[in-house]
Amino acid sequence: AQTVTQSQPEMSVQEAETVTLSCTYDTSESDYYLFWYKQPPSRQMILVIRQEAYKQQNATENRFSVNFQKAAKSFSLKISDSQLGDAAMYFCAYRSAKRGANSKLTFGKGITLSVRP
Amino acid sequence: DTGVSQNPRHKITKRGQNVTFRCDPISEHNRLYWYRQTLGQGPEFLTYFQNEAQLEKSRLLSDRFSAERPKGSFSTLEIQRTEQGDSAMYLCASSHRGFQETQYFGPGTRLLVL
Repeated sequence: AQTVTQSQPEMSVQEAETVTLSCTYDTSESDYYLFWYKQPPSRQMILVIRQEAYKQQNATENRFSVNFQKAAKSFSLKISDSQLGDAAMYFCAYRSAKRGANSKLTFGKGITLSVRP
Repeated sequence: DTGVSQNPRHKITKRGQNVTFRCDPISEHNRLYWYRQTLGQGPEFLTYFQNEAQLEKSRLLSDRFSAERPKGSFSTLEIQRTEQGDSAMYLCASSHRGFQETQYFGPGTRLLVL
């Protein structure tokens, strides 16, 4: 079974600064997808960024980028130029790309990010 | 595209009562998922549908839980004889099966069992 570990329960960053959120995972599969989701307080979860395991290039979406280290099974999220609206819980998630597999997401416990003005 | 909607948003019930939640996925999405999220934890998979077929159920889904997706559109999740341990946020997500499949989440239904 796949597991996702987010070992930092909380982090804080100064507005306009850069912060990196860590995530490690465990799987015996070679083909999969990794995601970062954002869950603002009392609001629904939204997708921040996704990474296909077969791609060596790290995904980027505007101020958000990932550092995907497949051999180390590490998938960190970097938020540049942090904004007050970035304050939320961030979840790392894994999905198998195996043909016929259940496409459910396996989530980590999440990390609460606060942004200081 | 109005997004995934869930009703009710909040539900308070007494132990032993039955509750039913509804999820309306994004139109044209053929996959629908239910997850449960407790305080301080990430969502945990409960079950999923492809069209009207329920393809997998987690061991978390005891016999008191049942889900349906008639006609492959909206879905309902029913909990019978609720227990205090059922208190959680119940999240629904939908996706379109395919290479770039991405799950889009609804706002959730927060259940409190007294």
